[in-house]
Amino acid sequence: DADVTQTPRNRITKTGKRIMLECSQTKGHDRMYWYRQDPGLGLRLIYYSFDVKDINKGEISDGYSVSRQAQAKFSLSLESAIPNQTALYFCATSPPGTDNQPQHFGDGTRLSIL
Amino acid sequence: GDSVTQMEGPVTLSEEACLTINCTYTATGYPSLFWYVQYPGEGLQLLLKATKADDKGSNKGFEATYRKETTSFHLEKGSVQVSDSAVYFCALRDDKIIFGKGTRLHILP
Repeated sequence: DADVTQTPRNRITKTGKRIMLECSQTKGHDRMYWYRQDPGLGLRLIYYSFDVKDINKGEISDGYSVSRQAQAKFSLSLESAIPNQTALYFCATSPPGTDNQPQHFGDGTRLSIL
Repeated sequence: GDSVTQMEGPVTLSEEACLTINCTYTATGYPSLFWYVQYPGEGLQLLLKATKADDKGSNKGFEATYRKETTSFHLEKGSVQVSDSAVYFCALRDDKIIFGKGTRLHILP
């Protein structure tokens, strides 16, 4: 089983719809992240959470919201989807502290907004 | 703020050629440095890392040395294979990871 699981893997929807992307992890890590990947732009951080009661905006949080339902679950919502939110979305985890451990990624959710 | 700059792609090489993908960074502290690889249809995987100056990370024939004096962490491989075709991301980590924009590598048989 994958350590970081994202659902759905692919989604096509229409402008204005509400969409939720889900992420669950079995790593036992406190820290979870949502990124989006666009061609030529690399990965950009949307939101991150260092524990269940901690939610922080990343560099491109506008138009998105998140929910940390439990240590193992971190959901990303698009309240009213727009076409420029078409992208590949990744969830990632990492352990706390200054041990400099790298993040572990899910396989991504490809989202298309028509 | 902290940032990572890596060479733009795509990079196209023949099998068994030498590879260098340049990466430079700016940071106020002393970050750890990483290279990630993304194969088609998959998420990112850690390829190698270095946590302090002069450290050399290595994995699968790839190497990168943490050069504090030139703020660089270039990725090198002496003889590439078709299976190395992927997108490579340089990244640094202080409190959060910051990624470069990625370099697509295409190896021709």
